[in-house]
Amino acid sequence: GGIITQTPKFLIGQEGQKLTLKCQQNFNHDTMYWYRQDSGKGLRLIYYSITENDLQKGDLSEGYDASREKKSSFSLTVTSAQKNEMAVFLCASSLDWGNYAEQFFGPGTRLTVL
Amino acid sequence: GQQVQQSPTSLVLQEGENAELQCNFSTSLNSMQWFYQRPGGSLISVFYNPSGTKQSGRLTSTTVIKERRSSLHISSSQITDSGTYLCAMEHGSSGNKLIFGIGTLLSVKP
Repeated sequence: GGIITQTPKFLIGQEGQKLTLKCQQNFNHDTMYWYRQDSGKGLRLIYYSITENDLQKGDLSEGYDASREKKSSFSLTVTSAQKNEMAVFLCASSLDWGNYAEQFFGPGTRLTVL
Repeated sequence: GQQVQQSPTSLVLQEGENAELQCNFSTSLNSMQWFYQRPGGSLISVFYNPSGTKQSGRLTSTTVIKERRSSLHISSSQITDSGTYLCAMEHGSSGNKLIFGIGTLLSVKP
């Protein structure tokens, strides 16, 4: 087994601020993901990384940057926080990018922008 | 339109009752996952279910890939089953990307 840890658990920012969220996994998985969860909208994919040194845009990448520092870690940066924004950011990993690769999720970072 | 439709959007049960949650997909899929999420909590993978029927305790999932549907049956519901159940599909041509439904909010009352 393994776990995914996300830091911080809660993040409060100011409008226009650059904010960074971190994710670590010890599954030794190749592929990692960042999702955004908004109330009533389900999860949407922001960025993913198929393997170390790879970076791919998801459906919601505008306003975000990502970095796969090493195999076990994947960071997400909100480049300019939007006023009154509230969402949960979830990190996930899977063994690889092929079909039929189950995804496992971290506990999430809850963002509030004042 | 929504590629993953979940029904019902919310459900209230008395403890001990059974629940049937549905997930329908508008496009072809390779596989799908069912997740459970407590308010403010992480997504916990309940079933990873390429096809057919799987059971884990009081939970049973049945997926018919060619009919683009999956169901999650909860028998003898308990208060601790309360939370949101999400289904997600792995699209036929998009590698390992998951497309999520909005979820079913289950509330089990004593």
